[in-house]
Amino acid sequence: DIQLTQSPSFLSASVGDRVTITCRASQGISSYLAWFQQKAGKAPKLLIYAASTLQSGVPSRFSGSGSGTEFTLTISSLQPEDFATYYCQQLNSYPITFGQGTRLEIK
Amino acid sequence: QVYLVESGGGVVQPGRSLRLSCAASGFNFRTYGMYWVRQAPGKGLEWVAVIWFDGSKKYYADSVKGRFTISRDNSKNTLYLQMNSLGAEDTAVYYCARGWSGYHDYWGQGTLVTVSS
Repeated sequence: DIQLTQSPSFLSASVGDRVTITCRASQGISSYLAWFQQKAGKAPKLLIYAASTLQSGVPSRFSGSGSGTEFTLTISSLQPEDFATYYCQQLNSYPITFGQGTRLEIK
Repeated sequence: QVYLVESGGGVVQPGRSLRLSCAASGFNFRTYGMYWVRQAPGKGLEWVAVIWFDGSKKYYADSVKGRFTISRDNSKNTLYLQMNSLGAEDTAVYYCARGWSGYHDYWGQGTLVTVSS
């Protein structure tokens, strides 16, 4: 199975900050990577697919990059509604796997 | 508007069975693959299973293989998850999700399954 490791697991930041979350795969997954945002008690929301394509309706302050084994999710200027938990997910091969999550909190 | 509504969750004793349903509307259900994903209380997301648009292929997480069965009824726009031999480790919120080019683009609100005696 392909393991995904996110770093950091916890991030404290302020409104307006630029933040980056990294997701590393245990083997190459081309660009078959997605990023999700999840708020407490809610279903995950797809932000980015194919490593760098912004899902319709997602603000442009979110961006993704990477291929192979290293990927990043960047939020260019944090807004209050961005404080949530973020997950990466690989779809290169079954079983599909998720990273352990990165909790983003207000400093 | 795409809607996915899960049902069938509840409290079940260890070793018993439960069937979850996911009613889909707002899109052509029979042309999309569908997924189940779960989340144990306070934990991260765990992918459970996928079924092809026509039901011809199914894949499972190792943790549920041999105990869970994913199925669908395209005439009823409904996805199912039959869960047998349930254990405490299966306690979670179960989400269904639509597969768009493989990506999980729409999710239901989830249904809670609690395995407890």
